[in-house]
Amino acid sequence: AQSVTQLDSQVPVFEEAPVELRCNYSSSVSVYLFWYVQYPNQGLQLLLKYLSGSTLVKGINGFEAEFNKSQTSFHLRKPSVHISDTAEYFCAVSRWNRDDKIIFGKGTRLHILP
Amino acid sequence: GAGVSQSPSNKVTEKGKDVELRCDPISGHTALYWYRQSLGQGLEFLIYFQGNSAPDKSGLPSDRFSAERTGGSVSTLTIQRTQQEDSAVYLCASSFGAGAGETQYFGPGTRLLVL
Repeated sequence: AQSVTQLDSQVPVFEEAPVELRCNYSSSVSVYLFWYVQYPNQGLQLLLKYLSGSTLVKGINGFEAEFNKSQTSFHLRKPSVHISDTAEYFCAVSRWNRDDKIIFGKGTRLHILP
Repeated sequence: GAGVSQSPSNKVTEKGKDVELRCDPISGHTALYWYRQSLGQGLEFLIYFQGNSAPDKSGLPSDRFSAERTGGSVSTLTIQRTQQEDSAVYLCASSFGAGAGETQYFGPGTRLLVL
């Protein structure tokens, strides 16, 4: 079975500084990978996803993530964060080409410091 | 509306009572998912529907939990004899299909508090 590990439960970052949110996955088969974001008092929405092709995936709000198969990672990055990026970020994985559920990580809460 | 809607938005109940949570998916979406979000626990998968059938019920925590979907649209999650540990935010999501790469669209959730 697949699993997702988000290594940091909380990440504090100063405004305009870069950020990386780490995600590692485990699976015996090929996978699709996702990052979802949950802004305060809002529902989850898709930030970006990797299905195939280029390993660097660009998403909304200036975020990007890189799929690294050898390291089984899908870290999320942004070169310069803003107060509006304050949210909880969830990494998720699903098995390739299967009608199947998505497995979510426990989330990383991003705190932007002024 | 165009998004996934859930009702009620908040529910307070007494231990031992039954509750029903409702989800209206985006029109035309054939797949529907239920998750539970507890503080510090991320999103816990409960069940998903493809049409009216539920191929995967593996996430339901106990036989007190059940869900149904009718007409390929609205879904109801029922918790019988609620316990305090059932307190959480229950999220519903829908997607155009149940394929593994499909984007899920989430509702705002129902916040359940069991006293």
